[in-house]
Amino acid sequence: DAGVIQSPRHEVTEMGQEVTLRCKPISGHDYLFWYRQTMMRGLELLIYFNNNVPIDDSGMPEDRFSAKMPNASFSTLKIQPSEPRDSAVYFCASSLAGRGPYEQYFGPGTRLTVT
Amino acid sequence: GESVGLHLPTLSVQEGDNSIINCAYSNSASDYFIWYKQESGKGPQFIIDIRSNMDKRQGQRVTVLLNKTVKHLSLQIAATQPGDSAVYFCAENRDDKIIFGKGTRLHILP
Repeated sequence: DAGVIQSPRHEVTEMGQEVTLRCKPISGHDYLFWYRQTMMRGLELLIYFNNNVPIDDSGMPEDRFSAKMPNASFSTLKIQPSEPRDSAVYFCASSLAGRGPYEQYFGPGTRLTVT
Repeated sequence: GESVGLHLPTLSVQEGDNSIINCAYSNSASDYFIWYKQESGKGPQFIIDIRSNMDKRQGQRVTVLLNKTVKHLSLQIAATQPGDSAVYFCAENRDDKIIFGKGTRLHILP
């Protein structure tokens, strides 16, 4: 298996622009998670899905952030409009139902820079 | 507020020695703990986990110890190798969400 796939790996955009991050989880995994990592705040859970349904989005910073999972093999995290403080590395992770949300497999991340 | 935290931000260990990375947690209701390893430029990687009804669990070259009395978790790495150089996170399960600590950087001395 190729593991969790994220695209793009790097994104540089200007403040006010829309940004869409993409994730393909490991085939057969039932849970999908979006995290944000910064030096100041560490690794923060933004939202997670179970069987394509959003379960907890309490970590989404504000209405500018939205996430979708239209099918079991694809999810997006959208920021509109983007702001410089959104600059971070965004990780997608997936896990298998039998293990619950615990043994998560992370993708390589998308490094987002908003200027 | 309750949080998962780490005592030391950086740990330097001689190659071949054992490493011990410590973690304190404050939520006594947490029933599951995990250690992740993050190498530079990569996502975190699951290392080992432990449930709250256990006090020790061993993997390949790694051992996790849990002391619920003092709410302390540690990761021991035997015979530390250059490939162990990374940031290590402890994490706890809280309401089916994994809450990560800030991380400890393990630096291997030649």
